[in-house]
Amino acid sequence: KAGVTQTPRYLIKTRGQQVTLSCSPISGHRSVSWYQQTPGQGLQFLFEYFSETQRNKGNFPGRFSGRQFSNSRSEMNVSTLELGDSALYLCASHPTSGDSNEQFFGPGTRLTVL
Amino acid sequence: GDSVTQMEGPVTLSEEAFLTINCTYTATGYPSLFWYVQYPGEGLQLLLKATKADDKGSNKGFEATYRKETTSFHLEKGSVQVSDSAVYFCALHLNFGNEKLTFGTGTRLTIIP
Repeated sequence: KAGVTQTPRYLIKTRGQQVTLSCSPISGHRSVSWYQQTPGQGLQFLFEYFSETQRNKGNFPGRFSGRQFSNSRSEMNVSTLELGDSALYLCASHPTSGDSNEQFFGPGTRLTVL
Repeated sequence: GDSVTQMEGPVTLSEEAFLTINCTYTATGYPSLFWYVQYPGEGLQLLLKATKADDKGSNKGFEATYRKETTSFHLEKGSVQVSDSAVYFCALHLNFGNEKLTFGTGTRLTIIP
C-alpha cells in the first residue's frame, strides 16, 4: 500500500498570502489529522477530519482551516500568513476500523513565510 | 490538560552504548502510549506502542514499558547504532473517536562511531 503523501513538499510564501496544503491518506483510511511542527512549540495538533467532517480541533486561530473530500483526501488552508506560521506541517491518517489506534504520518510540507 | 514530558536533549552517545530516554505523562483516563522517531527530512514513524498498563512495546531493539504507577514510558535500547541517530518523540492518545496525539518536545539523539 502506498503511504501518506503530502504536496507540495516545500513552499515559500510571503506575509499576508494564503496557502493550501494537500494530504492523501493511505487507501481505506478515513481519518486525517494535521499537526504543526516548529522548533519552539514542538508538535501541535491542528485538527482532524473524518468522513468529510471536522471531528476535533486544536487551539489555533481561525486563519487555519481544513476540509476533507469524499475520497478522504484532505486540504488545509492558512490565510493571511504570518512569519510564525513557518513550520513543518504533518498529515497523519488513521484506519478507524479494528482496534488499532496507530496513526501513519506523511513526510510533511515545509512552509517558509518571508 | 493532558501532557507528555520528555527528557531534554540533545543526547550524544557512542556506538554500542546503552540508551534511555525518559518520558512521563499526565492524562485524565487511560491513554495509549507511543514512541515515534523522525529521521532528517522525514515525517514521523511509529517505533513502538503500548495500550495498557504493564504492556511492553518493542521494535528494532528498542523497548518501553507502560508504568501506570509512575506514569512513565521510558525508551531503552541496549546497544545503539549510528543509524539510530534521529529525533524521538513520546506521545499519548486517549480516546477512540478523538485521534489527537499529544507529543513530548522530542529528544535529538546522535550516535558517534
